[in-house]
Parts: sequence; structure tokens; C-alpha cells
Amino acid sequence: SQTIHQWPATLVQPVGSPLSLECTVEGTSNPNLYWYRQAAGRGLQLLFYSVGIGQISSEVPQNLSASRPQDRQFILSSKKLLLSDSGFYLCAWSGTRRGELFFGEGSRLTVL
Amino acid sequence: DAKTTQPTSMDCAEGRAANLPCNHSTISGNEYVYWYRQIHSQGPQYIIHGLKNNETNEMASLIITEDRKSSTLILPHATLRDTAVYYCIVNTGTASKLTFGTGTRLQVTL
Repeated sequence: SQTIHQWPATLVQPVGSPLSLECTVEGTSNPNLYWYRQAAGRGLQLLFYSVGIGQISSEVPQNLSASRPQDRQFILSSKKLLLSDSGFYLCAWSGTRRGELFFGEGSRLTVL
Repeated sequence: DAKTTQPTSMDCAEGRAANLPCNHSTISGNEYVYWYRQIHSQGPQYIIHGLKNNETNEMASLIITEDRKSSTLILPHATLRDTAVYYCIVNTGTASKLTFGTGTRLQVTL
């Protein structure tokens, strides 16, 4: 069966520090991968999605970037965090059923 | 994608059916209705989706009106573990275009 994991689960970072969140998927090949962010009390905002290695689409301008170095690995990064980057970050992959997304456990980032 | 309108919050007694409404009056003919839920501090979980016909699975039932302008998600016997935010989304089936709004916060109580 397919599984998705992301880490770290929580982190507290100072403004201006770098960020790296990692997501891996097991049990499937060539998945579509997604990074979402959820600010407190808000809906989910799609940040990036990828249909293959090295292929990244950005949905909103920001100081975050994403990379897909391997088929089942998706990384979210920042060189310098802002206060507004705080939130709950979710990685997801899309399954075979139309419009079905499977989400990871989430990473809660607090920027101080 | 068509927009949806959901109540901000609802309460339901444990063991009773929870009926969550969703209006999507501008839905297009090729758009599906999807339901997801998000339990606190977890990622959203797919529940069910449908195009025109009513659908049922092990989690819930989806009732879509004949004109497709609204739908209702039914949890037949709500439990405390069903307390979550429920999102109604209309989409052509392109996962990258799923838009999660603020949903309905369902509180199941004893």
C-alpha cells in the first residue's frame, strides 16, 4: 500500500533562517506531488506541484522553493524565512481516482 | 472551478446522522463534487465524490440534487471521531486544481 511521510513534524525557526521540509512517498511510482500551506484559521493554499523529477509548478509567488530530486521525494525550502511563512505545511500525492489527494501528517512551522 | 458555499459550523449528537450541505450553483457539467475532511492538526482525508448520481461508501453518502446546484454529505451515525472540518469542492478531476476553502466545522457531541 502507498504511504506518505513528511518531516520534521514541528519546528521553530528564527526569521532569516533557512528551511527544509522533506516528503517521501512509498508504494507508487511517478506520483504527482504537492505542497500546501495552511495558515491559522484559513483554508489550504496550494504552493507547488510536480508531475515528475525536476518538474515544478509554482502557484503563488513567495520566498519558498520546491525541488524534486527523486521520483518519490519532494522538498520545500527557503533561504530566509519570514514571519508570514509560519503555518501548517502539508505534502500530498494524487492517486489513481480522479481528484483524490493523499496527505502527509503535516509540518507545523513557527517563525519567530 | 465553481465556488462552493458551506455553513461555517454545525453540531451533531453522537449516534445521529450528520447532514452537511453545500451549495454549488455555478457548477459546470464536467465538474465533480468532492468531499474531504480535516481532523485537527492532520492532513485532509478524501471522503467521497460524485458527478450526478448519489454515491455511498464505507464512510459516507453523497446526495446530489437533480439540478446539481447543491449536495449533502451524510454521515449516518456520527461519532466523536467525526469531529472535523468538512470541505466541499467542485472540480473537473484535476487534483492540482482542488481548492480547499474554509469548510464546515462539524462538532459531534455526547
